[in-house]
Amino acid sequence: EVQLVESGGGLVQPGGSLRLSCAASGFTFSNYVMSWVRQAPGKGLEWVSAITAGGENTNSADSVKGRFTISRDNSNYRLFLQMNSLRAEDTAVYYCAKGMNVVGSTPRLDYWGQGILVTVSS
Amino acid sequence: QAVLTQPPSMSAAPGQKVTISCSGARSNIANNAVHWYQHLPGTAPKLLIYDDNKRPSGIPDRFSGSKSGPSATLGIAGLRTGDEADYYCATWDSSLRAGVFGGGTKLTVL
Repeated sequence: EVQLVESGGGLVQPGGSLRLSCAASGFTFSNYVMSWVRQAPGKGLEWVSAITAGGENTNSADSVKGRFTISRDNSNYRLFLQMNSLRAEDTAVYYCAKGMNVVGSTPRLDYWGQGILVTVSS
Repeated sequence: QAVLTQPPSMSAAPGQKVTISCSGARSNIANNAVHWYQHLPGTAPKLLIYDDNKRPSGIPDRFSGSKSGPSATLGIAGLRTGDEADYYCATWDSSLRAGVFGGGTKLTVL
């Protein structure tokens, strides 16, 4: 059974940093693109970032480019999102999601975690 | 403002069919595969349709997808109260070099 479990969320002050982690199980992690998607309170889903199966290529939304970095540890079946210079508008539930392919960042995501809340506030 | 445009809300009676539209552009829908998600608040989104019209295993054939030029459509036949949820279209935008979602459509089955 595929499982994706996010951790590392919480309350952080504007300008601060947070590192989200996603523990994966139930599939061969190193064979698939992985992504982060978020949902701000009362808003729709927003694609954040994606990383290829081998970790060699990444893509990110303009809203987080230069501030957020996606990475992965294939040996330990983990996906990460390093979030720096956080802003109030980054407040959202962040979802870790598994892609259906090895390369390509299209949001074709067949399994999702339950999400983790990040709140940016003073 | 979402790159892909969906109607904010729709409603239909049980047993009826509803079609949810997703309007984009040449840089996204017209030249890239479209995917559809069902999202119930507090739960993980579920992939309903991928690559314009393919259903993952376990998704009933009541759900269908189609695309024509820069627009895509999700069809849900034989509506049930359990289909009440938010529905999102998504695709890749070649100009933005980013994934994009529609603003979402809240479906009410009454």
